[in-house]
Amino acid sequence: EDQVTQSPEALRLQEGESSSLNCSYTVSGLRGLFWYRQDPGKGPEFLFTLYSAGEEKEKERLKATLTKKESFLHITAPKPEDSATYLCASCSMNRDDKIIFGKGTRLHILP
Amino acid sequence: EAQVTQNPRYLITVTGKKLTVTCSQNMNHEYMSWYRQDPGLGLRQIYYSMNVEVTDKGDVPEGYKVSRKEKRNFPLILESPSPNQTSLYFCASGRDAGYTFGSGTRLTVV
Repeated sequence: EDQVTQSPEALRLQEGESSSLNCSYTVSGLRGLFWYRQDPGKGPEFLFTLYSAGEEKEKERLKATLTKKESFLHITAPKPEDSATYLCASCSMNRDDKIIFGKGTRLHILP
Repeated sequence: EAQVTQNPRYLITVTGKKLTVTCSQNMNHEYMSWYRQDPGLGLRQIYYSMNVEVTDKGDVPEGYKVSRKEKRNFPLILESPSPNQTSLYFCASGRDAGYTFGSGTRLTVV
């Protein structure tokens, strides 16, 4: 069965303290791996799509990377406004392009 | 502005009273989907549609119906809501390049 597992569930960092969020996936025929940011009570906001192992994408303080088994969201010198829940999702071409979300990592950046 | 519009944002209803949550997108996307989000369970797909008149069940379709008569609209119908359908609902469109999500509908069934 396809699965997406995110760790840690929650992470508290000091402002400026860099870290990484993990997304492990077991998906048959990966079409794409997505990262989203979600603020409380709001819809998820698209960040990145990664398509193949070795691919990297960056946006401001965020960088997403992909291997054959996992993806990382690296956060460099975070600011309090980076506090949010970060969601990872996979899309499987072998299962009618089914999209599965992980449960997310709640990130809190302390000023 | 490219967006997915859901209505209503908040809804309190009673058990068994039929309701519809509307979803509309202005990006000409073929793919649209409904999710519910519950604490500890994450986002779970209810139904999805790959094009007009094509709909399929997601992971938790029981108690829900959808229709896709036009490309831009994808309403979610609860024929006889029950308290276990109290949740935060999201509509989304697009896919390969990433979903665009609506702002959500918080539904409470009493």
